[in-house]
Amino acid sequence: GAVVSQHPSWVICKSGTSVKIECRSLDFQATTMFWYRQFPKQSLMLMATSNEGSKATYEQGVEKDKFLINHASLTLSTLTVTSAHPEDSSFYICSARDFAEISYEQYFGPGTRLTVT
Amino acid sequence: AQKVTQAQTEISVVEKEDVTLDCVYETRDTTYYLFWYKQPPSGELVFLIRRNSFDEQNEISGRYSWNFQKSTSSFNFTITASQVVDSAVYFCALSNFNKFYFGSGTKLNVKP
Repeated sequence: GAVVSQHPSWVICKSGTSVKIECRSLDFQATTMFWYRQFPKQSLMLMATSNEGSKATYEQGVEKDKFLINHASLTLSTLTVTSAHPEDSSFYICSARDFAEISYEQYFGPGTRLTVT
Repeated sequence: AQKVTQAQTEISVVEKEDVTLDCVYETRDTTYYLFWYKQPPSGELVFLIRRNSFDEQNEISGRYSWNFQKSTSSFNFTITASQVVDSAVYFCALSNFNKFYFGSGTKLNVKP
């Protein structure tokens, strides 16, 4: 149980275009989902926390208009990188907290590798 | 403030050697969880262990063992008889329900 999927697993897009990444909890409901960014040889950096039905909370320094997050249902959150540029190339990982658990655990997706050319 | 420190950036060992990955954390919360994850080159985080702040029992799972000491705010991870397949980046993390705080990671190279 507690499986989180991400789609796509990798994407290449041209500079100036937008790309959407989906994060789904497959076998549980997630009231809270998280989006992380990881640069090569670095740790995971929390970008934002999204709660179902409300606006996402962004970490300091993360551009809200650049990284649009929508958490429209208890099993789906999306991250849209708008007007992507090469510096947005990175590994994006989502995670989800199980609605039914009084837990501090997050279940992580497999990640999406974004390359902007 | 919460903080996780993994002072070892990279470790290289020869197969069958034992290796310990260090993790030191800072928190003022009384309730928290500590985690270890493995990240192979594919990038997917592989969950290894979860430990809550009230359970200081050490744990052994096959070749893996963990030593949790609240007195020194440490949660160290030992691999016994390392294998080439253990080569990866290992992250220690602390969770206080609101967020996860990751260490900077330790890259483990196990050479044949």
